[in-house]
Amino acid sequence: SQQGEEDPQALSIQEGENATMNCSYKTSINNLQWYRQNSGRGLVHLILIRSNEREKHSGRLRVTLDTSKKSSSLLITASRAADTASYFCGQIQGAQKLVFGQGTRLTINP
Amino acid sequence: DTEVTQTPKHLVMGMTNKKSLKCEQHMGHRAMYWYKQKAKKPPELMFVYSYEKLSINESVPSRFSPECPNSSLLNLHLHALQPEDSALYLCASRTTGGTEAFFGQGTRLTVV
Repeated sequence: SQQGEEDPQALSIQEGENATMNCSYKTSINNLQWYRQNSGRGLVHLILIRSNEREKHSGRLRVTLDTSKKSSSLLITASRAADTASYFCGQIQGAQKLVFGQGTRLTINP
Repeated sequence: DTEVTQTPKHLVMGMTNKKSLKCEQHMGHRAMYWYKQKAKKPPELMFVYSYEKLSINESVPSRFSPECPNSSLLNLHLHALQPEDSALYLCASRTTGGTEAFFGQGTRLTVV
């Protein structure tokens, strides 16, 4: 990908369980962003973590960042059917170039 | 208004056709983006405009021609496309120096 790798590529869990997806990136960052994409639609920004932060929370979302390993993880707690979507980490390279990892396709089973 | 509007939502075109995709935002964002996305793949950056000037072209074939007529509008002109160009085309905008990008719902393009 233009930015890095994400794993797993696909994840299927039961409603109510927690979902964790990981992102590795290649170049140094000022911040890392996570986006959600419902099938065939546009991306929606979820949360941003800055390079000097190690963890950030927003509702049921928890993001961690390890700059020494160039990796980040997104945890969704108490998953719901509506969380079914693809999740991408995004990085701004230079001032303007916003690029994305491979993404994780998350399926929440009722 | 935090919307990025893309038209049309769906487009079917022949390989000899000329068509255009349109993207509009009224958030005052001065950076605008075109992405191409194939099924089960991430969005792939094509072009970036900053203050209505093309600042990044990711080696996109010339059959794709972007245009930014004003700060609210971004077009992607299509000519002599190939079937492999069939994809979801996404437009996005953000403030220059900002972080969060706002995406349109995309145009689903099919080249026949």
